[in-house]
Amino acid sequence: SQKIEQNSEALNIQEGKTATLTCNYTNYSPAYLQWYRQDPGRGPVFLLLIRENEKEKRKERLKVTFDTTLKQSLFHITASQPADSATYLCALDRSNTGKLIFGQGTTLQVKP
Amino acid sequence: DAGVIQSPRHEVTEMGQEVTLRCKPISGHDYLFWYRQTMMRGLELLIYFNNNVPIDDSGMPEDRFSAKMPNASFSTLKIQPSEPRDSAVYFCASSLSRGQGDYGYTFGSGTRLTVV
Repeated sequence: SQKIEQNSEALNIQEGKTATLTCNYTNYSPAYLQWYRQDPGRGPVFLLLIRENEKEKRKERLKVTFDTTLKQSLFHITASQPADSATYLCALDRSNTGKLIFGQGTTLQVKP
Repeated sequence: DAGVIQSPRHEVTEMGQEVTLRCKPISGHDYLFWYRQTMMRGLELLIYFNNNVPIDDSGMPEDRFSAKMPNASFSTLKIQPSEPRDSAVYFCASSLSRGQGDYGYTFGSGTRLTVV
C-alpha cells in the first residue's frame, strides 16, 4: 500500500543544534514534496516545496533534500531555537493532481 | 488578505444533529480542499474542488458527509446526521494552481467539532 512515514517519536534537541527530520515514502513517484509546520490549535503552514529534479533546497535556516532513489526527504533546521518547537509534516502529491497526502508528522522540541 | 477563514472555530453538537462548517478561501485561489485531522489518522483529505467543481470526493467517509462550493469565495461541509466518531478538527485549505508553486497550500485555523 502507499505510505508516507515520519518518525512518530518526538525529537528533542538542544538550542543551537541542527534538527533533522525524516520523511520516507513507498509506492509513490511524486513530482514534488512539501513540508509544513503545525503549531497546537493552528492549521499547517507551508514551509518549502522541493521538486523531483532538485536534490536540495534552502530557505533561511531550513534545508530540504529529496532522494527519489531512496524515496526519502530530509528536513534540517540549523541553529535551532525554542521557537522552532512544533510538529512538522511532509506531504506528497501522489498523482500530480494537487491532491496532497500528509504524513503523521514529527514533533520537534527545542530546549533552551 | 486575511487568509483562509473558517467558521465556527468550535462546534459542540448532539449526535444526530446536522452540522455545517464554512470556509472562505483566499481570493484568486482556484483549488479548495477539506481535510479532517485526528490523533489516530492524522490529516485526511475529504474532498477537493477546482474552479468550484468537485474533483475528487473519494475521501468523504460516508453519505452523511456532503460538500458544496456555490461560488469562488465560499464552501460548506455538511454532516447529517452527525455521530460521535465525526469528532475531529476540520481544516479548509486553498491553493493556486495545485499548490505546485512556492506557496503550497494555505490552511485555515480549523473547526474543532465535538459530537456528544
